[in-house]
Amino acid sequence: GDSVTQMEGPVTLSEEAFLTINCTYTATGYPSLFWYVQYPGEGLQLLLKATKADDKGSNKGFEATYRKETTSFHLEKGSVQVSDSAVYFCALSGGGTASKLTFGTGTRLQVTL
Amino acid sequence: NAGVMQNPRHLVRRRGQEARLRCSPMKGHSHVYWYRQLPEEGLKFMVYLQKENIIDESGMPKERFSAEFPKEGPSILRIQQVVRGDSAAYFCASSARGAQTNEKLFFGSGTQLSVL
Repeated sequence: GDSVTQMEGPVTLSEEAFLTINCTYTATGYPSLFWYVQYPGEGLQLLLKATKADDKGSNKGFEATYRKETTSFHLEKGSVQVSDSAVYFCALSGGGTASKLTFGTGTRLQVTL
Repeated sequence: NAGVMQNPRHLVRRRGQEARLRCSPMKGHSHVYWYRQLPEEGLKFMVYLQKENIIDESGMPKERFSAEFPKEGPSILRIQQVVRGDSAAYFCASSARGAQTNEKLFFGSGTQLSVL
């Protein structure tokens, strides 16, 4: 079945550091890929998405590229801020429906001054 | 426009008791999804409901778990005779148009169920 593997956290960075959170997936067919973010005390929010190979999703300075050859969708940001501290979830949807999202375990990011 | 509201935020039950988790979707949304996150695991799909109908319950355990989304009121996820393995974070999401490719889901902040 479908699965998502993302790097374990927590990840601790200083403000303005470069961020990479790795995500790889296993799926049949051509899934859509997502990154969700959960800020403390809040629900998950869609951060960005990509629907086909080589698409790049981007939002709020974050970006991720759908790499079919390496089955990856790594999240990057050039300069993190304290306000980026949150838990980040990689997810995929297969079979043409977004309701059955398959999530990774989440990676907690802590950004310090 | 309030987001997806889940209550309670934290629920403690003893083994054998019943747990009821509530989810009010965003205004105007008639599609609700329940996910469960067990410790050290990713969120797993449980059930998809539209008003008064269960559309897909392929992720629901066969026994003790049920879900409803009545014409009026919130969606309810009910767990009967809870066991320690039911301890998890339960997330609800809603959408406006239903299960379509790339349909955006809006998530609540979850209910943390702890079974003693």
